[in-house]
Amino acid sequence: DVKVTQSSRYLVKRTGEKVFLECVQDMDHENMFWYRQDPGLGLRLIYFSYDVKMKEKGDIPEGYSVSREKKERFSLILESASTNQTSMYLCASSSFWQGNSPLHFGNGTRLTVT
Amino acid sequence: EDKVVQSPLSLVVHEGDTVTLNCSYEVTNFRSLLWYKQEKKAPTFLFMLTSSGIEKKSGRLSSILDKKELFSILNITATQTGDSAVYLCAVGLGEETSGSRLTFGEGTQLTVNP
Repeated sequence: DVKVTQSSRYLVKRTGEKVFLECVQDMDHENMFWYRQDPGLGLRLIYFSYDVKMKEKGDIPEGYSVSREKKERFSLILESASTNQTSMYLCASSSFWQGNSPLHFGNGTRLTVT
Repeated sequence: EDKVVQSPLSLVVHEGDTVTLNCSYEVTNFRSLLWYKQEKKAPTFLFMLTSSGIEKKSGRLSSILDKKELFSILNITATQTGDSAVYLCAVGLGEETSGSRLTFGEGTQLTVNP
């Protein structure tokens, strides 16, 4: 079974702090994704990556950056956290070579920025 | 702009009822439509649909896609309290470099009362 692990379940940070959200998958998947989930807005794609050191902007990349130094790990970075980044963050992975393979999600990190 | 719209946004039923959840989409380069169930944590994959008119079934859940009218429905028969969850519809886009990038709807919050 695919396992996608997010390092923190809950996180509280102050405005202006640099925040790292970590995600690790154990299935050797090429694709990795970061979404945020907000009431009334659903899941919105922040960034994604198809390979090591490769990244592409999603629909709402402003205020975020990512890092993919190893295939199994995809990090989301909030350079200077703001209160409007309070949200549930979901990491996901999938196989690039299996065509329409579904995303496998982690359990999410609920981030509160005060 | 790609758009996925789910209805209703919220639904409350009694155990044993049958429910139908709707998902319509307007996207460029449609590839697939997926349904996920989200309880407290990670969304879990239910179905992937790529062809019109072919019903996918799993126990009391079934789903069908209409690529001409650009919608899908998810049916749940003989609902149980364990079906209470947010049901997410997502559309996979078909660009060569997109892999399995998904655009999500807002979700339908289903509550099944005993």
